[in-house]
Amino acid sequence: GESVGLHLPTLSVQEGDNSIINCAYSNSASDYFIWYKQESGKGPQFIIDIRSNMDKRQGQRVTVLLNKTVKHLSLQIAATQPGDSAVYFCAENMVGRGSSNTGKLIFGQGTTLQVKP
Amino acid sequence: KAGVTQTPRYLIKTRGQQVTLSCSPISGHRSVSWYQQTPGQGLQFLFEYFSETQRNKGNFPGRFSGRQFSNSRSEMNVSTLELGDSALYLCASRPYSGELFFGEGSRLTVL
Repeated sequence: GESVGLHLPTLSVQEGDNSIINCAYSNSASDYFIWYKQESGKGPQFIIDIRSNMDKRQGQRVTVLLNKTVKHLSLQIAATQPGDSAVYFCAENMVGRGSSNTGKLIFGQGTTLQVKP
Repeated sequence: KAGVTQTPRYLIKTRGQQVTLSCSPISGHRSVSWYQQTPGQGLQFLFEYFSETQRNKGNFPGRFSGRQFSNSRSEMNVSTLELGDSALYLCASRPYSGELFFGEGSRLTVL
């Protein structure tokens, strides 16, 4: 889950700016992390994932950073657009035997991203 | 390819009743997971099924149960409904491992 100190329930940014959403995960044994985006009335949608043997992974306009020392995860969105407005969740998972992760994810509380035009 | 389909999308029940929710995974996906989403508790894992077997279970009372059929379709059941069971119930599927694909959920209101 997300610690009170790092978690911002709401983040408001100007269109075109970069957004950074933070998350503190709870289980030091977790080795697979995922960011999801949930728009109103819809289910969570996969954005990007990262395994614990990496500290950075980039996608299209998104970057995930992982700091295992302090159990911190962040999602950076470049050039934020109105369509990025949603609730963003981090989730942690443990990779089971045979290097396959399970369907049991532990979700953080979520951060609402508001993009101002 | 059709996404994860959940039915019904909305339903209203009264305390003490029971409810069954259905989930049709993406074609070819054999793993189905269920989650409960509430404003207070967020997204919480209920259970995961793979090849008709429960593979993982969350910390929910025995009133919450599920099953998976041979065609990978899954149902979850909540018996003796309580007000606190009002939530969005989300189903997610995946082939075996990898990312979860979520449906749009079934919104249950208990009066």
